[in-house]
Amino acid sequence: SQQGEEDPQALSIQEGENATMNCSYKTSINNLQWYRQNSGRGLVHLILIRSNEREKHSGRLRVTLDTSKKSSSLLITASRAADTASYFCATDANSGNTPLVFGKGTRLSVIA
Amino acid sequence: DVKVTQSSRYLVKRTGEKVFLECVQDMDHENMFWYRQDPGLGLRLIYFSYDVKMKEKGDIPEGYSVSREKKERFSLILESASTNQTSMYLCASSLFTSGRGGQYFGPGTRLTVT
Repeated sequence: SQQGEEDPQALSIQEGENATMNCSYKTSINNLQWYRQNSGRGLVHLILIRSNEREKHSGRLRVTLDTSKKSSSLLITASRAADTASYFCATDANSGNTPLVFGKGTRLSVIA
Repeated sequence: DVKVTQSSRYLVKRTGEKVFLECVQDMDHENMFWYRQDPGLGLRLIYFSYDVKMKEKGDIPEGYSVSREKKERFSLILESASTNQTSMYLCASSLFTSGRGGQYFGPGTRLTVT
């Protein structure tokens, strides 16, 4: 199945800086979701943006969606060491009951 | 809060053994999913289920089977474990069929086949 692709694969920043991760996908979608995974744990749902939305905020998270470019970005502002994790985008394809398709993730390291 | 539990965090099995991975969710979700996660490959869907006794193949079903006898429980079975099935296995559930609205994941089972 078609996967979303996150970019970059890995990102290392200092505490307090902003972190931006990008996701590109190939099919038309109903929505796009971002998840976080701490090392050795399951994924946690962070935020969902619908195909008719362009931007969404949740606390220090800001997600944008550009359906014309089939891309999304996740911005974490004022990062903290606790934000260190892998971040995945997942697309809900606009075709019946197809399950979510996950990207390979961006590994974020926030250095205190 | 939705809780998804998996029977083991770590499991070590020998080649050829039959392995059962259990997943239980407590939110009455109809939809449940099994993934495996490997470095550099991301999450790959093995099987999913939209209802009791119903199952659908995902992207990599070979070497696996599943069982859904009760709504809250979704089991992944490795009929004859092989070393290439060493991986992290993640179970998830969702309210909506395609995961629309979000999926809820268990903590994962790290399986080592020797």
